[in-house]
Amino acid sequence: GAVVSQHPSRVICKSGTSVKIECRSLDFQATTMFWYRQFPKKSLMLMATSNEGSKATYEQGVEKDKFLINHASLTLSTLTVTSAHPEDSSFYICSANSLEAESSYNEQFFGPGTRLTVL
Amino acid sequence: AQSVSQHNHHVILSEAASLELGCNYSYGGTVNLFWYVQYPGQHLQLLLKYFSGDPLVKGIKGFEAEFIKSKFSFNLRKPSVQWSDTAEYFCAVNEGTGNQFYFGTGTSLTVIP
Repeated sequence: GAVVSQHPSRVICKSGTSVKIECRSLDFQATTMFWYRQFPKKSLMLMATSNEGSKATYEQGVEKDKFLINHASLTLSTLTVTSAHPEDSSFYICSANSLEAESSYNEQFFGPGTRLTVL
Repeated sequence: AQSVSQHNHHVILSEAASLELGCNYSYGGTVNLFWYVQYPGQHLQLLLKYFSGDPLVKGIKGFEAEFIKSKFSFNLRKPSVQWSDTAEYFCAVNEGTGNQFYFGTGTSLTVIP
């Protein structure tokens, strides 16, 4: 199946700094990528939908100025957590729709996630 | 908005026991249904999916799920679990041709050898 990678897998930063997380589709093109946040013992919460070449669509309650998303190419989307605070500590997961699959049905391929810890 | 419910939050079974995890959704229109598994320390992997056709779907590792439209359900089953099935299981629903997925809260399965 299609492979999605994330980098870094784990990051620790100081409060007030910014952190960038990359999401790449390795063997397919993705016009749409999604960013989720997973809380302990809870489900995935969709943060935003990232469309290649256009602005991301944020879910209600997600601060677009805090969580900057850029989808510069068909294989790369980045999430930047700006001015991070301890409450931003979480597991961030990206996923991507396969361009080929979009013609028939929707299937998302998930990255391995990034564990962010803000001290 | 769509909601997806997984009623079993934590299930503990002995090896060889049968498994059934519940999943219910709220959307009344055309849906695509998925079960994902997340093994400890690993990323989400697709177990099986339903788009149309036979409502009984067979997936990897001996898992199957049945779509019952009248009950808005898509329960996951496995006749005989193994220790290696210990993981977190997520049900997800996608509305028709839309991009957005809605996830249930997950069920943590622990299989005791």
